[in-house]
Amino acid sequence: ETGVTQSPTHLIKTRGQQVTLRCSSQSGHNTVSWYQQALGQGPQFIFQYYREEENGRGNFPPRFSGLQFPNYSSELNVNALELDDSALYLCASSLIDPDPSSGANVLTFGAGSRLTVL
Amino acid sequence: TQLLEQSPQFLSIQEGENLTVYCNSSSVFSSLQWYRQEPGEGPVLLVTVVTGGEVKKLKRLTFQFGDARKDSSLHITAAQPGDTGLYLCAVPDGGNNRKLIWGLGTSLAVNP
Repeated sequence: ETGVTQSPTHLIKTRGQQVTLRCSSQSGHNTVSWYQQALGQGPQFIFQYYREEENGRGNFPPRFSGLQFPNYSSELNVNALELDDSALYLCASSLIDPDPSSGANVLTFGAGSRLTVL
Repeated sequence: TQLLEQSPQFLSIQEGENLTVYCNSSSVFSSLQWYRQEPGEGPVLLVTVVTGGEVKKLKRLTFQFGDARKDSSLHITAAQPGDTGLYLCAVPDGGNNRKLIWGLGTSLAVNP
């Protein structure tokens, strides 16, 4: 059983550029969530994808967008990068019931992509 | 303001010591999770607690969910250098179990 893999592991961009981060979910999982973790902070929920559609979004502007593919892998795209976008971007996959009252998610995280914006 | 307050923020102890870290809130939660995150890695789930007053043990780690389901503690007995890491608590966002809200974490260093 493969875990969650993310790429690239590290990257450096400049303000105004665009970035695409990639995530392969754990085998058997059907849902991918993306989190932003700034230095010294806990993760902040960006959005979740289920059945190739956005299925919940946190307090992030529209320049943060994503995709989920038929094989359940996912991309996070960030346009018009700002200095404050520098963070560790975590992808987590899970197998959940679409019923929101079914109980807490069990998330399997990747190691993250460390983005530095200069 | 932070929904989940974790304390202490930093903790540095010697191998063999005991410690307790806390996750507190004024809100009631249906469940609460504890994760450990090591440098360069994503968080790894340690435990999920659901019932008020529940106690779960994972080897030298003891997790307790408060009776009112507003707070939780993690106690480590005879800490080892391998316990070093960032300990995070997380809860579902209201009725939306698809989204987790996280504390800022307790950064633990266990020195040999």
